[in-house]
Amino acid sequence: GQQVMQIPQYQHVQEGEDFTTYCNSSTTLSNIQWYKQRPGGHPVFLIQLVKSGEVKKQKRLTFQFGEAKKNSSLHITATQTTDVGTYFCAGPYSGGYQKVTFGTGTKLQVIP
Amino acid sequence: NAGVTQTPKFRVLKTGQSMTLLCAQDMNHEYMYWYRQDPGMGLRLIHYSVGEGTTAKGEVPDGYNVSRLKKQNFLLGLESAAPSQTSVYFCASTADRANQPQHFGDGTRLSIL
Repeated sequence: GQQVMQIPQYQHVQEGEDFTTYCNSSTTLSNIQWYKQRPGGHPVFLIQLVKSGEVKKQKRLTFQFGEAKKNSSLHITATQTTDVGTYFCAGPYSGGYQKVTFGTGTKLQVIP
Repeated sequence: NAGVTQTPKFRVLKTGQSMTLLCAQDMNHEYMYWYRQDPGMGLRLIHYSVGEGTTAKGEVPDGYNVSRLKKQNFLLGLESAAPSQTSVYFCASTADRANQPQHFGDGTRLSIL
């Protein structure tokens, strides 16, 4: 079945350093979503990418969708303690739009 | 402005007991989902529904049953709880397709002893 993997699984950074998480799918995705889950909280939708090679920015966050639409990345510039949490990517299940497959997640810890 | 509401928030069960988790959404969404989240495993889909009266199996459906008798409610049942079902359960909904943003509830933390 469809698999969506994320690397790294964990990342510790000093506040002010940059951070990148990578999402790789075993199948081509029609679109990809990114979510953030704060410790003890629930996943919250951040953004959706649809086009091949698409790049979107939200303040210090840059999201990119690969040319082959099988991978994506999230880059955070100059991390802050408020960026702490787990970041998930998610893509539609192969063959339809009824459900998505979530990536394994990357847990970010920011050291003040 | 409730969004997606899950009850209960915490529960401890003994092996073999049964219980029902309730998910209610007030956004008139068609699609609803139940996920479980375990450390290092991400979110795994248990069951989902694409409309009132419909249900379908997800990635890890064994040991769970669901019902969607009303559009706004999606119930997840454990008939005979097992320690392997200890997890955090999240309910989510989307307007009418999965490639739209999913709105999550706060989760139910369930421990099976």
